[in-house]
Order: sequence, then C-alpha cells, then structure tokens
Amino acid sequence: AQKITQTQPGMFVQEKEAVTLDCTYDTSDPSYGLFWYKQPSSGEMIFLIYQGSYDQQNATEGRYSLNFQKARKSANLVISASQLGDSAMYFCAMREVSGYSTLTFGKGTMLLVSP
Amino acid sequence: DAEITQSPRHKITETGRQVTLACHQTWNHNNMFWYRQDLGHGLRLIHYSYGVHDTNKGEVSDGYSVSRSNTEDLPLTLESAASSQTSVYFCASSEFIENTEAFFGQGTRLTVV
Repeated sequence: AQKITQTQPGMFVQEKEAVTLDCTYDTSDPSYGLFWYKQPSSGEMIFLIYQGSYDQQNATEGRYSLNFQKARKSANLVISASQLGDSAMYFCAMREVSGYSTLTFGKGTMLLVSP
Repeated sequence: DAEITQSPRHKITETGRQVTLACHQTWNHNNMFWYRQDLGHGLRLIHYSYGVHDTNKGEVSDGYSVSRSNTEDLPLTLESAASSQTSVYFCASSEFIENTEAFFGQGTRLTVV
C-alpha cells in the first residue's frame, strides 16, 4: 500500500485564486511529520511547510497553509492568492519515527497557474 | 552559506559502465540520502547514511552502492549501469531532529544508452 497518496496528477488555477493540493498518508506510527516540497521547472526541491503529528494547530508559512486532519490522515496544502511563479510540481512527504529520518514521497501534483 | 552540491549535473554513459555521482554537503549533517525521480513515481529512496561508515539500503537499492568515509560526502555508484537507471538523482541531507526538513542538491540527470 502506498504510504503517501496524491490523487491529483494535475491542477489548474487562475492567478489570485486559492488552490488545495490533496495528500493522504498511511502510517501506524504515533509520531510522524508531514512535509510539502515544490519543484519548479528548473528542477530543484524547495521545502515549503512542515506539520508534526502532535501539533495542535495547522502549520502556516506565508501564503502556504497545511490543512491537517489527523483522523482522516490527510495533509492538504492550501496556497492562497496563487501567483504565476507557483506553477510547479508539488510533493507531499512523510517522515515516520520507525523510518528514522528518511522521507517517503508521493507521486506529486503538477500545478499550473494561469493569468 | 551552507549548501549541498551534486556533480555532475548531467551525464551520459553506456550500458555496463561503472558510474559515480558525487554529493557534497557543508551543513555538517549526519544524515544523507540518495533518491531517484522518475515520471509517475515521485522520489524513491535508494540508499541513506546516518553517519561516517554507516550505510543503509532504501526502497530501490539494487544496482547501487554508497560509502561514507566522512561527514560531507556520500557518493553513489552504479556498479554496471543499465537503461532502467536512466533517471534524475537527488542527494539530500538533514539533521537528526524530527521536525527539520531535508535539504536537496540540484539533481543529476543520468542517461544510460
């Protein structure tokens, strides 16, 4: 079974609108962390946001927020006020205590922002 | 500024040749990782290391090896390159702290012909 599932291969959004990228995960560890990375066309991996399994509040970093629903095992990324520069591939990843420091990635969602 | 660098950025090699991809980090991180990225698969873990002389196999380790002789470097070796190993390879490093992110190199695009 996949540990990280991103069901949206591609998403389209207009500039200045908000968009939600879905991520569900599967783990039996009581302690884990969830990460989102952005990969623009240039290829580098850019860290966006982190959510710990014990965090009481949803993580936010500027225009990025993580909608963490622990019971549903979902960790959706919300980008508010989309910009053209947000067009990229987005990866959800999980670090489990049992997996030590290794990250398990989803297959990614390609986001295209149109003017 | 601390960084993590990979070399070469692009490489074309022939089937059966041994290839080594370099990864060097100046973060002084104990943890280092190699991933490969393929369309439709996301990033998959090849090997990882928690410190000098420590190496561990990841999800897709067949045909690859690593060695860790110092903190800064984790070279990835393809013993006998195969066309199935054509991919983009990423090196990453992190601290041994739960809520810290991994930092990635720029990637190496390897083509095996």
